[in-house]
Amino acid sequence: AQSVAQPEDQVNVAEGNPLTVKCTYSVSGNPYLFWYVQYPNRGLQFLLKYITGDNLVKGSYGFEAEFNKSQTSFHLKKPSALVSDSALYFCAVRDYNDYKLSFGAGTTVTVRA
Amino acid sequence: DAGVTQSPTHLIKTRGQQVTLRCSPKSGHDTVSWYQQALGQGPQFIFQYYEEEERQRGNFPDRFSGHQFPNYSSELNVNALLLGDSALYLCASSLVQTEAFFGQGTRLTVV
Repeated sequence: AQSVAQPEDQVNVAEGNPLTVKCTYSVSGNPYLFWYVQYPNRGLQFLLKYITGDNLVKGSYGFEAEFNKSQTSFHLKKPSALVSDSALYFCAVRDYNDYKLSFGAGTTVTVRA
Repeated sequence: DAGVTQSPTHLIKTRGQQVTLRCSPKSGHDTVSWYQQALGQGPQFIFQYYEEEERQRGNFPDRFSGHQFPNYSSELNVNALLLGDSALYLCASSLVQTEAFFGQGTRLTVV
């Protein structure tokens, strides 16, 4: 079985401050990890992925994420948040020998000007 | 590149009716997955199609069925609609072992 936990329903930061959205996962094998962002009444937009290799992954719009195998975490980070980063963020995991994505419940990010 | 396109964008149906949702994958993608996103929740996997066959299925009843055509486009059918089927239905396309790209979704309301 595979699952994702996003422990924070909401994250609030001021523009220009660092942004972190937390994610922990559980899989029986090797994880493929993903972050997606969703704007109101829209589908999910891919941000970045970890498959293998370097634990620090860089993605779209200045986002990055760090894979930590010992803590089974894959936290999303951005050094300097923008108001336009305000959205709903989802972490997802897929076991290497599985096809389905399992999503967390999502974290709403609000960046205030 | 048009990306993943879904139709219709919104739909209202009555309990007991049947509905068909459609999806065209991103150019070059051969795998289509369907997800249900209830309000305030993360997407839940319904099933995945590859080479016109259902490759994997999530924990959804047989009322949910699908099809993939030779051009890789796909349909999701839901029979005997329940109020609880009201949700955003997302289609995602991918190649084997790559990231999934999602469409804008179809908002289904069952009344």
